[in-house]
Amino acid sequence: GNSVTQMEGPVTLSEEAFLTINCTYTATGYPSLFWYVQYPGEGLQLLLKATKADDKGSNKGFEATYRKETTSFHLEKGSVQVSDSAVYFCALSDTGGADGLTFGKGTHLIIQP
Amino acid sequence: DAGITQSPRHKVTETGTPVTLRCHQTENHRYMYWYRQDPGHGLRLIHYSYGVKDTDKGEVSDGYSVSRSKTEDFLLTLESATSSQTSVYFCAISEGAGGLSYEQYFGPGTRLTVT
Repeated sequence: GNSVTQMEGPVTLSEEAFLTINCTYTATGYPSLFWYVQYPGEGLQLLLKATKADDKGSNKGFEATYRKETTSFHLEKGSVQVSDSAVYFCALSDTGGADGLTFGKGTHLIIQP
Repeated sequence: DAGITQSPRHKVTETGTPVTLRCHQTENHRYMYWYRQDPGHGLRLIHYSYGVKDTDKGEVSDGYSVSRSKTEDFLLTLESATSSQTSVYFCAISEGAGGLSYEQYFGPGTRLTVT
């Protein structure tokens, strides 16, 4: 079956540091890949997505590239802010149907001023 | 923001009582989902719907049932609540067909405590 593995953290960084959150996946087909962000007390918000190999998703300074050869979709940001503190989820959707997303366990990111 | 509301937002109930959570959307999206979020598990799919009266089970469906009598409403019922069903429940919607990207949009969540 499908699965997503990501570092759980917490990951603590100083403001303006470079961020990488690793995400690797296992899927039987050719999945679409997503990063969602959850701020305290809120639902999940779609941060970025990629639908095929070598696609790069980007939003709000965050980027992730769909690497089929390494089955990875690592999230990066060049200079983090305190407001980026949240929980980040990597997820995949397998082709052939809209039968739900498979999520990683989430990475808690803490940015210190 | 996608028009998704969940009710109630918080609920405390006793073991053995029935509980129904409601998800309402104003986007006219075909697909609707119920997930639960627990520490150390991320989000896990309970049930989903691909149209009115069309539903299917997800990864953790035991102890839950769903119904969808209208496009805009998707109900999750715990027939007899147990302490293991204490969780935060999220509803999500997806437009579905039209491409390979089944991105989903999430509601604000319902925090359920079973005592």
